[in-house]
Amino acid sequence: EAQVTQNPRYLITVTGKKLTVTCSQNMNHEYMSWYRQDPGLGLRQIYYSMNVEVTDKGDVPEGYKVSRKEKRNFPLILESPSPNQTSLYFCASRRAGTDTQYFGPGTRLTVL
Amino acid sequence: AQSVTQLGSHVSVSEGALVLLRCNYSSSVPPYLFWYVQYPNQGLQLLLKYTSAATLVKGINGFEAEFKKSETSFHLTKPSAHMSDAAEYFCAVSDTGTASKLTFGTGTRLQVTL
Repeated sequence: EAQVTQNPRYLITVTGKKLTVTCSQNMNHEYMSWYRQDPGLGLRQIYYSMNVEVTDKGDVPEGYKVSRKEKRNFPLILESPSPNQTSLYFCASRRAGTDTQYFGPGTRLTVL
Repeated sequence: AQSVTQLGSHVSVSEGALVLLRCNYSSSVPPYLFWYVQYPNQGLQLLLKYTSAATLVKGINGFEAEFKKSETSFHLTKPSAHMSDAAEYFCAVSDTGTASKLTFGTGTRLQVTL
């Protein structure tokens, strides 16, 4: 089944404790993105990647890191999480030359 | 910079009534426009998209949207609401045609009542 998976789905952590949210897609898509969803703000793009080893900032990259060492994986790294990063995070992927993004189920992160 | 504005954070309709969710865009170049739906505790699913072909776009689940350049609008409609349509709906715009960067509206939560 074609899908985008994220882990964990739920995470509660404390300020300053490094964490990684994984994202994996099995569709061989070139493009991958991370978004955060906050009430009243919709979804905002954090980072995106156009292919292996190619990443770029989205609208709200501060406090986040990403890497794209393999085509299928695009982890989101929070080196020192803060409470304002409490949010619902979505990973998405897309095939080059197309315009439809496929979204993962989301990761709900709470930073205390 | 491109942006979309969704008028109304909450819309309530009766089952069987017309659904109209509003989206206005701002873009310096011809935009690509999308409507996504998010059911409770799920990710986003593409409903339909406008990519400079026909201005009236039909999507899944009986939804459609019309691109009106003169009004910079891309409103989502459905003639008859079903209870299963209750969800949050997001309008999004991309000006590159590649959707590497989708800019989303703030969302409209649709409630369907009996």
